[in-house]
Amino acid sequence: AQKVTQAQTEISVVEKEDVTLDCVYETRDTTYYLFWYKQPPSGELVFLIRRNSFDEQNEISGRYSWNFQKSTSSFNFTITASQVVDSAVYFCALIGQGAQKLVFGQGTRLTINP
Amino acid sequence: DGGITQSPKYLFRKEGQNVTLSCEQNLNHDAMYWYRQDPGQGLRLIYYSQIVNDFQKGDIAEGYSVSREKKESFPLTVTSAQKNPTAFYLCASSIVRPYSSGANVLTFGAGSRLTVL
Repeated sequence: AQKVTQAQTEISVVEKEDVTLDCVYETRDTTYYLFWYKQPPSGELVFLIRRNSFDEQNEISGRYSWNFQKSTSSFNFTITASQVVDSAVYFCALIGQGAQKLVFGQGTRLTINP
Repeated sequence: DGGITQSPKYLFRKEGQNVTLSCEQNLNHDAMYWYRQDPGQGLRLIYYSQIVNDFQKGDIAEGYSVSREKKESFPLTVTSAQKNPTAFYLCASSIVRPYSSGANVLTFGAGSRLTVL
């Protein structure tokens, strides 16, 4: 069985602080893909990143960075110098190679206060 | 621009009525999905389809029905058998080719919010 756990239900920080969203996953597949999506107040989910299980390099995109560690089955997401526009619900997701559907975590609601 | 269009954005239904939510995509994606989102909760898969004229039940298919007569369209009917239909419904699509760079990357529509009166 596959499972994604986002233990942080809600996080609230002040603008310009750094914030890390945790994602822990479970899978028996040796090949799998991990994702992060952002859901702003408008409701539409926006794709942020896909990472395959053979690529453990950290990824950086502007103020966003992702830390993938197979040893701890984690795929954490860090926002540096947070901004009010980063306020959203963030979802982590997993799919095994050959599987037909993604497994989503429960989401983390991030609020950035001015 | 390519994307997914969901309609209506807001819908009110009386108990006992069936309603149909529309989902259209012009991305030439093979797979389409319907998710339900309740306040403060994650996404739960209702139905998905990887090819025209074929679809599979997701985790919470009871009380819902779908059709996939065209590649571009995947309408969802919320039937009167669905006991608690008030929720936010999201449609998504993706390519299916397993080793392509876009495989399994879901593109979402803006959602439809259904309220039962």
